[in-house]
Parts: sequence; structure tokens; C-alpha cells
Amino acid sequence: AQSVTQLGSHVSVSEGALVLLRCNYSSSVPPYLFWYVQYPNQGLQLLLKYTTGATLVKGINGFEAEFKKSETSFHLTKPSAHMSDAAEYFCAVSKGYSSASKIIFGSGTRLSIRP
Amino acid sequence: EPEVTQTPSHQVTQMGQEVILRCVPISNHLYFYWYRQILGQKVEFLVSFYNNEISEKSEIFDDQFSVERPDGSNFTLKIRSTKLEDSAMYFCASSTIGVEGQGTDTQYFGPGTRLTVL
Repeated sequence: AQSVTQLGSHVSVSEGALVLLRCNYSSSVPPYLFWYVQYPNQGLQLLLKYTTGATLVKGINGFEAEFKKSETSFHLTKPSAHMSDAAEYFCAVSKGYSSASKIIFGSGTRLSIRP
Repeated sequence: EPEVTQTPSHQVTQMGQEVILRCVPISNHLYFYWYRQILGQKVEFLVSFYNNEISEKSEIFDDQFSVERPDGSNFTLKIRSTKLEDSAMYFCASSTIGVEGQGTDTQYFGPGTRLTVL
């Protein structure tokens, strides 16, 4: 079975500050890991994903995440927050070897940016 | 850039009525999915579909739900007799053939259909 835990349902940072959104996963098989972003009243947009290889993954809008197998973590970071980053962020996991594998989502973290 | 589209963006229906939610996946994709998100809750998997068959379904996807690919472009989710608890945002997603270890399994999501059951 697979699961995802996102620590913190709401994170607030100042504009220009570091963004850190935490995600821990559980998987009995090698996972694929994802971060999706959802802006208000919009769908889910893929920020980045980890499949195999390099554990530091760079995504869109300056975000990156590091896969740490020993810690079963896949935390999302951005060095300097921008007002436009305010959104809901979902960490997710799937079974990497299956093409039609369902994605299991975390509960989401709402990111607010203070001026 | 190709994208998944969904219609309608918002559907209001009376309890007990049938609804059909429509999706047009990305044209060269072969795997199709439906997810839903009840307001304030996490996104939940409903069903995956490949080669005109359901590949996997969750326990949410009971006999009231069905999926169909009626032609070469559309993918539909039908709820036969809607309940109040079916009110949610429904997302369609599609993906291409994944090659093990090569990361082509990305699912691309549509903008969603907000279903309101009164």
C-alpha cells in the first residue's frame, strides 16, 4: 500500500523567504513521487516529479524537491517566495513500474505569502 | 502545449438524476483516469481505463459509476443516480505509455468539473 503525509495544512511565509513544504511517503515498491500545485478555482498542475536517477529534482517556477529514501521524504523547496506562489500544493505517490498506476495524493498544504 | 479539457466546468443537478461528465484527453495518450476532490478534502482516485477496459477502480467507484470512451477523443464519467455526497470537483487525467524506469508515466490533469447535487 502507498500513502502520503503532508506536514502542515497551512504554511505562511514572507515574500522573498524560503519555502519549505514537507512530505513523507510510504510505499512497498519503488515509488514515483510528484508535487502538484492547484491555484484557486483551477486544476492540478505538475510542478515536478521523481522517477529514478538524480535525487534532486528541479521543477517549474523555481521549485525543487529532494528524494531521500532513508527518510522516506520528498520535501518541496523554493529559495525565495513570490506572491504568485500562493496556492495549494499536493504531494503524491504512485507505483513507478505500472503505466496505469493510480496516484495517491496527500491532504495538501495551503501556501500563503505575506507581503 | 496539448492539454486535457473537461466539460462542463460546473454542473448542477437534482439528487437522483443522471449526470455525464466529459473529458477530452491529450490526443496520443492511451491511459485515462478520473479523480474527485470533495471540498476541503484530498484528491481521490476513482478509476483508470486502458484499451477500452477498466484497469483499476477504487471502492468509491461503485455500481452508480461507469466510464466510457464512446469515440476516439472523448472519455466520459457517468453517475446514474446522483447523491448529495457526490458533490465534488471531478478531474480527468491522461497519460501515455510508461516505460519502466524511464518516467513517462506523468498524468496530466484537466481543469475539473464542479458537480453540485441539490
